[in-house]
Amino acid sequence: NAGVTQTPKFQVLKTGQSMTLQCAQDMNHNSMYWYRQDPGMGLRLIYYSASEGTTDKGEVPNGYNVSRLNKREFSLRLESAAPSQTSVYFCASSEVPGIANEQFFGPGTRLTVL
Amino acid sequence: AQSVTQLGSHVSVSEGALVLLRCNYSSSVPPYLFWYVQYPNQGLQLLLKYTTGATLVKGINGFEAEFKKSETSFHLTKPSAHMSDAAEYFCAVSSSGGYQKVTFGTGTKLQVIP
Repeated sequence: NAGVTQTPKFQVLKTGQSMTLQCAQDMNHNSMYWYRQDPGMGLRLIYYSASEGTTDKGEVPNGYNVSRLNKREFSLRLESAAPSQTSVYFCASSEVPGIANEQFFGPGTRLTVL
Repeated sequence: AQSVTQLGSHVSVSEGALVLLRCNYSSSVPPYLFWYVQYPNQGLQLLLKYTTGATLVKGINGFEAEFKKSETSFHLTKPSAHMSDAAEYFCAVSSSGGYQKVTFGTGTKLQVIP
């Protein structure tokens, strides 16, 4: 049982390049989330998927797109990377989108945009 | 609207001393409150959570937190710090209906001095 896995672990991009961050969970969870973590700002929600087939914007969605490929996988795409998107990106999942439920986090992807 | 304030971005304690990490929340409805821990280069993991019922909540690794409605606080404590407690700690609140919108605090880095 691997929990939540993310690939890649590290990535360096040039401004304007595109890339997709991959996330998968093996806990049969319904809900999945993408966060970014920046120093002094905590975690901010980019997009979430309450259940397979649905996605919604979070707090900071500009410059990102997501795909809920199936129940297990939720990818985050940067179409044209900008230096402001330099951050650590975390994927998380929860059993159901209930407000009392624990979220399980992946190990993160450290992205640098030059 | 909901928000979380963590007082002190960095806290240092001596090994064996009391750990106290402060968290105050704002919520227009009864909140659910969480403490997560992040070890270096890892994702977040749940320490403990308050939903309803007993206001003193015990978590993993000897940590506990008390929900005080009158003070809108949910401070995290541990009687005796261990070197392995060095990490970043995030308080979070969830009080919206529908999907699980969790608002994270900005985090407190705990340093344990031998």
